[in-house]
Amino acid sequence: KAGVTQTPRYLIKTRGQQVTLSCSPISGHRSVSWYQQTPGQGLQFLFEYFSETQRNKGNFPGRFSGRQFSNSRSEMNVSTLELGDSALYLCASSLSVDTDTQYFGPGTRLTVL
Amino acid sequence: AQKVTQAQTEISVVEKEDVTLDCVYETRDTTYYLFWYKQPPSGELVFLIRRNSFDEQNEISGRYSWNFQKSTSSFNFTITASQVVDSAVYFCALRGDKIIFGKGTRLHILP
Repeated sequence: KAGVTQTPRYLIKTRGQQVTLSCSPISGHRSVSWYQQTPGQGLQFLFEYFSETQRNKGNFPGRFSGRQFSNSRSEMNVSTLELGDSALYLCASSLSVDTDTQYFGPGTRLTVL
Repeated sequence: AQKVTQAQTEISVVEKEDVTLDCVYETRDTTYYLFWYKQPPSGELVFLIRRNSFDEQNEISGRYSWNFQKSTSSFNFTITASQVVDSAVYFCALRGDKIIFGKGTRLHILP
């Protein structure tokens, strides 16, 4: 089975722009979660989707949003980018929610200039 | 509130030595899950193990072993006869309603 894929792998944007990141889960997985990883804050949970519904949300401002499509693919969007949004954004998929193991993609490294 | 503490920020050992990575957690849930992930320099988190709160049996997988002790809220990870390929950042995570990760321990295995 193919693993979790994320596109693009690298992205450079400037402050004020917006960005959309994409995640394709492992085939058959219906839950997708997003995380932000920075050297200072570590791995922080952004949100989790299951069957096209946002099930959980972390403590991030409204500039961070996401959605999940009927084929379980997910996108996250960050509007009005700030320098502090520079990070590795990781997507993880699991069969279901709560107890299932999450499998991670390679991440998208976003640099905001 | 849930919390995961990995007190060791960075560890360096010489190849073939054993090394233990500590993980202490806090939760009020009676049912929860604990995980260990490995993040090599490539950046992708690799799943290593999952343990539920009702299963305190220790587990061994090759050179890896895990010690889960509910009494001390700890879920420690030991690598026996370490190898250079074990060099990575290791994360402990707790999943109840949401998943919380520790800050990670950066492990250097020196040849």
